[in-house]
Amino acid sequence: ETGVTQSPTHLIKTRGQQVTLRCSSQSGHNTVSWYQQALGQGPQFIFQYYREEENGRGNFPPRFSGLQFPNYSSELNVNALELDDSALYLCASSIGTSREQYFGPGTRLTVT
Amino acid sequence: RKEVEQDPGPFNVPEGATVAFNCTYSNSASQSFFWYRQDCRKEPKLLMSVYSSGNEDGRFTAQLNRASQYISLLIRDSKLSDSATYLCVVNRDNYGQNFVFGPGTRLSVLP
Repeated sequence: ETGVTQSPTHLIKTRGQQVTLRCSSQSGHNTVSWYQQALGQGPQFIFQYYREEENGRGNFPPRFSGLQFPNYSSELNVNALELDDSALYLCASSIGTSREQYFGPGTRLTVT
Repeated sequence: RKEVEQDPGPFNVPEGATVAFNCTYSNSASQSFFWYRQDCRKEPKLLMSVYSSGNEDGRFTAQLNRASQYISLLIRDSKLSDSATYLCVVNRDNYGQNFVFGPGTRLSVLP
């Protein structure tokens, strides 16, 4: 196991609601990246946090936001949920911003 | 054109076969490269990093051709447990980090 944990495992929300997903990084890792993976596709980069600052963002609207805490754990917040937000949300931690990333088990979000 | 493209698959091969996956990337500034494997409904797991000189880890060999912007993964003596989706991953640059995943190639190793 990678030591990266995510919560919750599964979540069902209604369109228009807001959701917060959580990630604890592997010990010693100071960088967390978030990805969205739709069924049958590769993960899509949402953003990355390095030492509590956003360090890059993919092509996602501002209603996707995040935080990183001093212990390097992280949150992903999604406002005004849409049906297309239904996906597996993965976080990955790494030592620094360009090294190998290790993934948590993901949170499966269903928006109805 | 997608930034990272892979063989569409699926690949269905018998146990013991050798199988090769190909991946191309469009951003010539890409700095680092990886192969991940992903089992059904699980998270991606790092299989190996890919170096310019090529690297081998047991039955797995990865090659990088920067001039052609091409990455490959060779699996020898396939095992049933190799059945998974193989994801090619390209790290664009060292700033504002952005790992770009290919769509993946599914492999089924048959008894």
